[in-house]
Amino acid sequence: AQTVTQSQPEMSVQEAETVTLSCTYDTSESDYYLFWYKQPPSRQMILVIRQEAYKQQNATENRFSVNFQKAAKSFSLKISDSQLGDAAMYFCAYRSVGGSNYKLTFGKGTLLTVNP
Amino acid sequence: EPEVTQTPSHQVTQMGQEVILRCVPISNHLYFYWYRQILGQKVEFLVSFYNNEISEKSEIFDDQFSVERPDGSNFTLKIRSTKLEDSAMYFCASRNSGANVLTFGAGSRLTVL
Repeated sequence: AQTVTQSQPEMSVQEAETVTLSCTYDTSESDYYLFWYKQPPSRQMILVIRQEAYKQQNATENRFSVNFQKAAKSFSLKISDSQLGDAAMYFCAYRSVGGSNYKLTFGKGTLLTVNP
Repeated sequence: EPEVTQTPSHQVTQMGQEVILRCVPISNHLYFYWYRQILGQKVEFLVSFYNNEISEKSEIFDDQFSVERPDGSNFTLKIRSTKLEDSAMYFCASRNSGANVLTFGAGSRLTVL
């Protein structure tokens, strides 16, 4: 079974600075998807960024980018130029490629605080 | 932008009571899911639902749990006789056929006393 570990329960960053959230995972599969979801307080989880394991290039979405290290099974999220609206719980998640049930395996989450 | 809507946002119930959590998935989505997160723990998969039947369920999803799509728009999670350990945030999600992204609701917090 796959596991996802987020070792930082809480992180804080100054507005306009850069922060990196860590995620490691364990799997015996060679192909899979990795995701970062963001959950603002009392709001729904929204997808921030995703990475297909077969792609060597790190995914980027505006101020959000990942550092995907397949051999190390590491998938960190970098937020550049942090904004107050980035404050949220961030979840790292894994999904196998096979199967149609789209079952996600999540980490415990990292609570990000952005200080003005 | 279309949203997955969940009600209630918070429910408090007594142990042994039945609870129904409701979800309105995005209208053209065909696959539906329930996840839960016990406070301080990971978000866990409970069940997936497609074509009016359960397609996969976790070991958490025992006989006390059931899901239903009663009217073509709502997707409900019923807990027949709640236990203290059922206290958690329950997330509904949906996706369309071929989509690689789940859309989640804001969650329903269940507190069992």
